[in-house]
Amino acid sequence: QQQVKQSPQSLIVQKGGISIINCAYENTAFDYFPWYQQFPGKGPALLIAIRPDVSEKKEGRFTISFNKSAKQFSLHIMDSQPGDSATYFCAATFDFGNEKLTFGTGTRLTIIP
Amino acid sequence: GAGVSQTPSNKVTEKGKYVELRCDPISGHTALYWYRQSLGQGPEFLIYFQGTGAADDSGLPNDRFFAVRPEGSVSTLKIQRTERGDSAVYLCASSRDLQRTGSTGELFFGEGSRLTVL
Repeated sequence: QQQVKQSPQSLIVQKGGISIINCAYENTAFDYFPWYQQFPGKGPALLIAIRPDVSEKKEGRFTISFNKSAKQFSLHIMDSQPGDSATYFCAATFDFGNEKLTFGTGTRLTIIP
Repeated sequence: GAGVSQTPSNKVTEKGKYVELRCDPISGHTALYWYRQSLGQGPEFLIYFQGTGAADDSGLPNDRFFAVRPEGSVSTLKIQRTERGDSAVYLCASSRDLQRTGSTGELFFGEGSRLTVL
């Protein structure tokens, strides 16, 4: 049972543009939603995370928007750069501090000059 | 290095053979996780250790898979009678003591062990 659905599967954005990746979850018990970034041949690395008590969290060029009623959250990358080209995974877990994560299927982002 | 170390980085084996994958977590991290990542998919939880004990092994697909962490640091994932469907990248991750305040909820992943079963 896929509990976290991610879209799109792949995304091409021009340098300087905004990249948007969306995720939807089913289980309302989830209470921690991180985004991980993965480069080829590397393990995923935490990018930014949010808890459901806030609707938005911003760190530099990266913003998470969270809609609890719709059970959706999204990652926005402003002023996208070629170095942002990677695969991005959303994830969710039941209990903050418990890193037994359920991951989405990933979005391969390519930033073109 | 200061990161999570996994060996081997690549392992090719034949169907039916036994394999061991090793993980050396970040020093001082008491929580250790194993995930499996198939091609084009997100990581899938296998097992979680808090200290020496397996706190949650609900993700292990069947009894051919087993993991140990005898001294609360290095962990070994063991796969018996390998099958072609076991081919994947096996990721290990560690995190800080969940019982202490200040846990960021961050998993620190290694680069993975790519297993290919022929």
